[in-house]
Amino acid sequence: EAQVTQNPRYLITVTGKKLTVTCSQNMNHEYMSWYRQDPGLGLRQIYYSMNVEVTDKGDVPEGYKVSRKEKRNFPLILESPSPNQTSLYFCASSLFGGLMNNEQFFGPGTRLTVL
Amino acid sequence: QQQVKQSPQSLIVQKGGIPIINCAYENTAFDYFPWYQQFPGKGPALLIAIRPDVSEKKEGRFTISFNKSAKQFSLHIMDSQPGDSATYFCAASKWNSNYQLIWGAGTKLIIKP
Repeated sequence: EAQVTQNPRYLITVTGKKLTVTCSQNMNHEYMSWYRQDPGLGLRQIYYSMNVEVTDKGDVPEGYKVSRKEKRNFPLILESPSPNQTSLYFCASSLFGGLMNNEQFFGPGTRLTVL
Repeated sequence: QQQVKQSPQSLIVQKGGIPIINCAYENTAFDYFPWYQQFPGKGPALLIAIRPDVSEKKEGRFTISFNKSAKQFSLHIMDSQPGDSATYFCAASKWNSNYQLIWGAGTKLIIKP
């Protein structure tokens, strides 16, 4: 089954404790992206990757890191989480970066709470 | 210039009614307007999208109406069903961008049986 998977689905942590949220897709997609979803704000893009070893900042990159060492994986790293990073996080992928005939598929989400 | 304003925040409609969700954008360079549907515990999924060369697009029971001069677009759901209960997001982008969508805040829709 073609899908985007994220782990963990739920995570409660404390301020300053480094964490990684994994994202993997099995569709051989070039483009991958991370979003955070907050009430009243919709989705905001954190980082995106056009292909292996090619990453760039989205709208809200502060406090986050990403890497793209393999095509299928795009982990999101919080080196020193803070309470304002409490949010619902989504990973997404698409065949390539453009919009034409190119649907973006989302993972199921990771709900992160930073105490 | 980059905002997309979505209303209402929440909406309750009886089964068979026609919920309407509205969005307004500011950046006149935007030329791609998708709607996403999100069920609880799931990621958003593309529902329908429109480009400004047409004023209306239908896919099944879902219709987008687009008013370029007013910089507004809306989603109508005909013959709504309880299974349509979800959160709906509008978004906007430049067609030649790399999925750099600007999202609305979302509308939680409940269809009562």
